[in-house]
Amino acid sequence: KAGVTQTPRYLIKTRGQQVTLSCSPISGHRSVSWYQQTPGQGLQFLFEYFSETQRNKGNFPGRFSGRQFSNSRSEMNVSTLELGDSALYLCASSWQGNNEQFFGPGTRLTVL
Amino acid sequence: SQQGEEDPQALSIQEGENATMNCSYKTSINNLQWYRQNSGRGLVHLILIRSNEREKHSGRLRVTLDTSKKSSSLLITASRAADTASYFCATDAAAAGNKLTFGGGTRVLVKP
Repeated sequence: KAGVTQTPRYLIKTRGQQVTLSCSPISGHRSVSWYQQTPGQGLQFLFEYFSETQRNKGNFPGRFSGRQFSNSRSEMNVSTLELGDSALYLCASSWQGNNEQFFGPGTRLTVL
Repeated sequence: SQQGEEDPQALSIQEGENATMNCSYKTSINNLQWYRQNSGRGLVHLILIRSNEREKHSGRLRVTLDTSKKSSSLLITASRAADTASYFCATDAAAAGNKLTFGGGTRVLVKP
């Protein structure tokens, strides 16, 4: 069974730009969650999508958004990038969302 | 604020020794999970323990849960250099909207 894939793996952007990250979950998983990981703040929950609906949302500004498609693939978008958005963005999929999660390798975003 | 807090923040041991790390949380939980992360990569699920369980084993891993003290511990027996990683606890709690909330992690270094 293929694991969770995330693209791209590395990304360099400049302040003010926008970025879209993609996540393909494990086949059959309907829940996709996104996390931001930084040395200072640790692992922070961004949002969860389940069957194309946002089911949960963390405490991030509206510049962070996401969506899920009918095949459960998910994208997250960050608009008007700030230096503080530099982080490892992790996607995880699961059957239900709050049980065992399978993580992708992450997208390392650097904002210059 | 984070639901789960790990202790210690860092741990250095010799190969063959046992490693113990603790996780404390603030509100009643549905389940508590432990994950491992090798440097800069995605997280790998280790064990899930439900609120009505007290102990679980998986290979060289033993997890205990004390709901009265709102704490959990992860024991790695006979550690190996390959166990060098960061270990995170994550809680699923109704008070947190049933989304997984991760602690700050314990960095474990196993010296050969």
